[in-house]
Amino acid sequence: EAAVTQSPRNKVAVTGGKVTLSCNQTNNHNNMYWYRQDTGHGLRLIHYSYGAGSTEKGDIPDGYKASRPSQENFSLILELATPSQTSVYFCASGDRDINQDTQYFGPGTRLLVL
Amino acid sequence: GDKVKQSPSALSLQEGTNSALRCNFSIAATTVQWFLQNPRGSLMNLFYLVPGTKENGRLKSAFDSKESYSTLHIRDAQLEDSGTYFCAAAGTGGYKVVFGSGTRLLVSP
Repeated sequence: EAAVTQSPRNKVAVTGGKVTLSCNQTNNHNNMYWYRQDTGHGLRLIHYSYGAGSTEKGDIPDGYKASRPSQENFSLILELATPSQTSVYFCASGDRDINQDTQYFGPGTRLLVL
Repeated sequence: GDKVKQSPSALSLQEGTNSALRCNFSIAATTVQWFLQNPRGSLMNLFYLVPGTKENGRLKSAFDSKESYSTLHIRDAQLEDSGTYFCAAAGTGGYKVVFGSGTRLLVSP
């Protein structure tokens, strides 16, 4: 069964609304990541986490918050969604500390902000 | 400029042929990952590399940290190899991974 899951898989939001994207991993990995993928940009890192209670800014954190309440769960929060945040969002987990040294991705969430 | 530059941006191959994809880094990369995103959008890990080479079936990858590049060789291309190939590099400190923009590969009969 899938080790990294995301919900929802598709979301339509209105400008100014609050959006929460959820990610769950059963790999028992310490590290989790949120990326967005846009045509011409590949994947860009928004926020990441070293473990429960930790959130760190990635390369494009503006307009996003993150929450890591537990080892398994990592959420991405858009407090005031804007059309520029329309994208595909990927969550990933990884754990280099115990030599599990690749990132495992979820299936992605398509977000459309109108 | 791009920290991780992939080439070519797009590639068409006939079944059974060979090719190579390349990533050049303008950051001091210490590790490289290669991923394949299939036409449905799923991302799959192919390789994780420290300087050196790895091989898996028809795929072989090399990472030269001194010359700041990595290659992915595809031998005997098959239709299911079609998709977008991404390389991603991490530097010292480890956790912040930078992706290239991808190489779109189409394998035709």
